Amino acid sequence: GNSVTQMEGPVTLSEEAFLTINCTYTATGYPSLFWYVQYPGEGLQLLLKATKADDKGSNKGFEATYRKETTSFHLEKGSVQVSDSAVYFCALSGVFRSNYQLIWGAGTKLIIKP
Amino acid sequence: DAGVTQSPTHLIKTRGQHVTLRCSPISGHKSVSWYQQVLGQGPQFIFQYYEKEERGRGNFPDRFSARQFPNYSSELNVNALLLGDSALYLCASSLSRGQGSNEQYFGPGTRLTVT
Repeated sequence: GNSVTQMEGPVTLSEEAFLTINCTYTATGYPSLFWYVQYPGEGLQLLLKATKADDKGSNKGFEATYRKETTSFHLEKGSVQVSDSAVYFCALSGVFRSNYQLIWGAGTKLIIKP
Repeated sequence: DAGVTQSPTHLIKTRGQHVTLRCSPISGHKSVSWYQQVLGQGPQFIFQYYEKEERGRGNFPDRFSARQFPNYSSELNVNALLLGDSALYLCASSLSRGQGSNEQYFGPGTRLTVT
């Protein structure tokens, strides 16, 4: 079936460290891929997306590249800040029988220490 | 412009009761989706409505139902509440059915606690 797997958290880093949060997926067809972020006490916000293979989504210093050959969409940031502390969700949509829904990973909690 | 709004923010119910959650989409958005997010997990899809018709349904029992009104707002109803229904219920709106890219905008959620 269609699914998304994320690295388990929490991930704890110091400010200005390099961030990678791994995301791999299993899907029939050609999904679109998303990263959403959930700050403490807030709703989900779209961080970035990619709709086809080799596309790179980017926003607020975060990047992720749609890798069809490895079925991955890893989230990266070169220098994290305390304000990046949140839960990050990888998701996909647009696959057979799931065309209108988002299929989510379990989320990765990121903690940035000053 | 206002984002997606949901009401109430928090709700406490007892087992066996019924609950209605409400959602108003972003102005101009015709599609509303509902998700359940249990603490520590990713959201699970419950329903999608587009132009007042159900367009998708997740793996939830018939105790869960929803509808969309002519102004595109939506209600999620849950009957015969169980302890396991305690969760954050999220509403998301999008411009269309969103085949493929399906960019959705989320409300802050309704925190339901069943005791």
